[in-house]
Amino acid sequence: GAGVSQSPRYKVAKRGQDVALRCDPISGHVSLFWYQQALGQGPEFLTYFQNEAQLDKSGLPSDRFFAERPEGSVSTLKIQRTQQEDSAVYLCASSTDFLAGAYNEQFFGPGTRLTVL
Amino acid sequence: AQSVTQLDSHVSVSEGTPVLLRCNYSSSYSPSLFWYVQHPNKGLQLLLKYTSAATLVKGINGFEAEFKKSETSFHLTKPSAHMSDAAEYFCVPRTGNQFYFGTGTSLTVIP
Repeated sequence: GAGVSQSPRYKVAKRGQDVALRCDPISGHVSLFWYQQALGQGPEFLTYFQNEAQLDKSGLPSDRFFAERPEGSVSTLKIQRTQQEDSAVYLCASSTDFLAGAYNEQFFGPGTRLTVL
Repeated sequence: AQSVTQLDSHVSVSEGTPVLLRCNYSSSYSPSLFWYVQHPNKGLQLLLKYTSAATLVKGINGFEAEFKKSETSFHLTKPSAHMSDAAEYFCVPRTGNQFYFGTGTSLTVIP
């Protein structure tokens, strides 16, 4: 079956531009996560949705970062007024119901590589 | 909160020799632990997970890990390395609704 898909795969933005990154989770997965992975580092948690509810946004680095999942399926991560330090790979992951089981895994998409010039 | 320490940032092995990637966890209770692999320019893939059902966990591609509570370890092993195993490996604990990834271990396989 189809996995998690993300678009675009690559994005180049000029500093100050707004960007929107899309995530299509696995069909039926109620839990969705966004991570930021800087070069040479492990992924860092940004935010988590359970259906359309954003249950945790403690990892968002600033108020320029905003995520939504209005219908409980597709999610968009928006970054306003991009800065060079926002350059990273943004990963999306989904899970059947992360809260329902301590051992539920997350399925990851290929990521969007954002380069801010 | 749980945390892990991956004791080696980089491991090099020759093709056909055993692989050992070390992970120690810090927790006062039995953790949820996962090993993920990330190949260059590809997404993260689950290798295996500890579910408390068994201390020896078998995963994909010949990898396995043994949960040792007395040593607070969950080391990843493979009897014989293949060139396709070259990748970044993450030992990932779960706390609440978050996975915590460290900096990982980079595995190089020498032909």
